[in-house]
Amino acid sequence: AQRVTQPEKLLSVFKGAPVELKCNYSYSGSPELFWYVQYSRQRLQLLLRHISRESIKGFTADLNKGETSFHLKKPFAQEEDSAMYYCALLDTGRRALTFGSGTRLQVQP
Amino acid sequence: NAGVTQTPKFQVLKTGQSMTLQCAQDMNHNSMYWYRQDPGMGLRLIYYSASEGTTDKGEVPNGYNVSRLNKREFSLRLESAAPSQTSVYFCASKRALAGGQETQYFGPGTRLLVL
Repeated sequence: AQRVTQPEKLLSVFKGAPVELKCNYSYSGSPELFWYVQYSRQRLQLLLRHISRESIKGFTADLNKGETSFHLKKPFAQEEDSAMYYCALLDTGRRALTFGSGTRLQVQP
Repeated sequence: NAGVTQTPKFQVLKTGQSMTLQCAQDMNHNSMYWYRQDPGMGLRLIYYSASEGTTDKGEVPNGYNVSRLNKREFSLRLESAAPSQTSVYFCASKRALAGGQETQYFGPGTRLLVL
């Protein structure tokens, strides 16, 4: 069975510090991974997908198949980055997402 | 273009009561999903509908039923609510892009409390 693990429930950093939100997955096939973000009082929205190899709002994530990881990184955190972040893996059979338990990022001034 | 809408926003039920959560999307998406969000557990798939007229069970379907009324609407029904169904429920629809890329769009959520 596929699984997504986000080991940190809460990550607190100061503004300007680097951020790394960890995500590990287990999946037998070729994974399709995503990061979703939920800002306070807003709906869940896509941040980035690994297949696009994109950088959104300064965030990047690299798929490491050897370590089965898809960590989210940003070199300099901003206060507006404070939110709940979810790593998700696509179930290619159901075409639905399996989510990790989420990490709350707090960026302090 | 409202995206994905859900009603109600908040509901309190007594154990054993029934209710239907409504979801609609105006983006002409084929696939729609119902998830529940619980503290420390992320979002878990309840049911999904790959296209109009089809529905399938997800990870946690027990205690729920769904109806894909038409392409726009996908409702979730609790026939006999239990306290374990206290949760935040999210509906989503999916746009499939070229090259295998896809994006799920989420509704604002329905917060359900079962006493």
